Amino acid sequence: KNQVEQSPQSLIILEGKNCTLQCNYTVSPFSNLRWYKQDTGRGPVSLTIMTFSENTKSNGRYTATLDADTKQSSLHITASQLSDSASYICVVSAKSSASKIIFGSGTRLSIRP
Amino acid sequence: GAVVSQHPSRVICKSGTSVKIECRSLDFQATTMFWYRQFPKKSLMLMATSNEGSKATYEQGVEKDKFLINHASLTLSTLTVTSAHPEDSSFYICSARDFRTDNYEQYFGPGTRLTVT
Repeated sequence: KNQVEQSPQSLIILEGKNCTLQCNYTVSPFSNLRWYKQDTGRGPVSLTIMTFSENTKSNGRYTATLDADTKQSSLHITASQLSDSASYICVVSAKSSASKIIFGSGTRLSIRP
Repeated sequence: GAVVSQHPSRVICKSGTSVKIECRSLDFQATTMFWYRQFPKKSLMLMATSNEGSKATYEQGVEKDKFLINHASLTLSTLTVTSAHPEDSSFYICSARDFRTDNYEQYFGPGTRLTVT
């Protein structure tokens, strides 16, 4: 069964600190993995997209890693800011004619001043 | 980057009425659009996939007669919630993708908050 699991479910850190969010998946055959940031009451915004051959990709203070062998991904946020408070969603696509897309349940990140 | 808009952003309607939500790709052609609903503090749940010029494919458990989807052009898809009930109150989000570019990207709209009284 295709699944995407994220951890932790929620996280609170102090402004300026770093944090790492985890995503484990069992989607097969794997096509790509994306991390999205969703502010409350808004639509998700793409942070990174990684395919099978990519194992790290950065977008400013966000760095995503992918280990296709262990089927794990992480999103590392450096020097957190108050505006980083949001839900972070891991989305994995399966390579099929239906182009199945599986969403993780998200990690709710709160940055405290 | 590509932009997807939704209209309206918020709508309040009375039980029994129908509500139409529009999803537009503003600067690209979307061969496929997706409709999601999201409950508070929960992740997005795919409701249906619509391909331009053909019938939408609904996920299991989603009533196609209640949630009417029309993808009449490469830049517009609409979701109509028919005979709305309070339990239909939710956050509805659309996304659009241009499969011809094959860049895997899926662009999300800002969402529509539906409240049924």
